[in-house]
Amino acid sequence: DTAVSQTPKYLVTQMGNDKSIKCEQNLGHDTMYWYKQDSKKFLKIMFSYNNKELIINETVPNRFSPKSPDKAHLNLHINSLELGDSAVYFCASSPSGRELFFGEGSRLTVL
Amino acid sequence: RKEVEQDPGPFNVPEGATVAFNCTYSNSASQSFFWYRQDCRKEPKLLMSVYSSGNEDGRFTAQLNRASQYISLLIRDSKLSDSATYLCAVPNSGGYQKVTFGTGTKLQVIP
Repeated sequence: DTAVSQTPKYLVTQMGNDKSIKCEQNLGHDTMYWYKQDSKKFLKIMFSYNNKELIINETVPNRFSPKSPDKAHLNLHINSLELGDSAVYFCASSPSGRELFFGEGSRLTVL
Repeated sequence: RKEVEQDPGPFNVPEGATVAFNCTYSNSASQSFFWYRQDCRKEPKLLMSVYSSGNEDGRFTAQLNRASQYISLLIRDSKLSDSATYLCAVPNSGGYQKVTFGTGTKLQVIP
């Protein structure tokens, strides 16, 4: 009965590959987010969706494409992976756009 | 000035000590503020919200200083289990539900 769940938790892949991360929340929240936490631990917002509609896109490269099939799901697809994409990607949901509830994170390593 | 700024630390304190962290924010229109706790290799978890009157929860007290645009987190009687990184988060005041995090302050409580 995990509130915000992400898969996979770990991802190791080669440069140039394409990969996806999936996120689901069972909290009934309208807003979902993708955050990236790099090696310096800085947590930076990437995207936000409200009820399936993209509302925040923080100048993320076009190689990153989020998709929200319904308000409980938010996926992230990354094309042509680069070394600098190595990070922990956190999905989060929010009832109000203020307090966030995070998934456990997906640790991506690009070799 | 960065949107949200924190001293990265680490703060090394003995068990039983009182420790305080500050977090400065640049948007004077911000209305709500939050503290999160992040353990090593885990997701951030909501610790406390900070509203204009402050907030107290057991050994933890969060306060807001609007004039100087900072929030603080005070931990009394530190426990070993308080060792973690403490992140402040500031939702923007507009309608786009963007939540910006500080870089976090690392606390290490020493026996």
